[in-house]
Amino acid sequence: QVQLQQWGAGLLKPSETLSLTCAVYGGSFSGYYWSWIRQPPGKGLEWIGEINPSGSTDYNTSLKSRVTISVDRSKNQFSLKLSSVIAADTAVYYCARGSGPAVWGQGTTVTVSS
Amino acid sequence: DIQMTQSPSSLSASVGDRVTITCRASQGIRNDLGWYQQKPGKAPKRLIYAASSLQSGVPSRFSGSGSGTEFTLTISSLQPEDFATYYCLQYNSYPRTFGQGTKLEIK
Repeated sequence: QVQLQQWGAGLLKPSETLSLTCAVYGGSFSGYYWSWIRQPPGKGLEWIGEINPSGSTDYNTSLKSRVTISVDRSKNQFSLKLSSVIAADTAVYYCARGSGPAVWGQGTTVTVSS
Repeated sequence: DIQMTQSPSSLSASVGDRVTITCRASQGIRNDLGWYQQKPGKAPKRLIYAASSLQSGVPSRFSGSGSGTEFTLTISSLQPEDFATYYCLQYNSYPRTFGQGTKLEIK
């Protein structure tokens, strides 16, 4: 069955760029939407953005100027970059498959602190 | 952006109770809605998709209904493992949006 394994730097300073990667194992990569979602400590879920099978992206309105989602089909991976991070970007970040995703990564805790 | 208003924000109930959680969309989303359960420290788990379709492997005590702007998640008989936080998610249009969550606690 399909599994998502994600990784990336967990501690960043303000103004740095957050970079996370999610690898897809045990399932097809093509034909699916791939999403990123985050959850600040003690708060609810926030959709960050997604990339569709043709490579087009859509992003959260409030993050659009700082977010890039991309895919590497040769490696069955997709990635998230969030530039100019601030303390409010501290959260657990999840990768997921689909628009109403059924398959999720394990989550990566990212802390932004000087 | 479509706003998803979820209620209640918290709920106390007992094992065996029937509970209902509601999500209201600020505009029509057909049946493009999912329900998720999240336990502390874990990734969310999808329970329901397309508003009323039960995810494979999810117990039948969970059910979803609604279309357009009003949606409900019902747990017919609460079990100890059901105490968690629940979220709705609309995927009808961009940006996708979650409800603010309902924390279900033991009475």
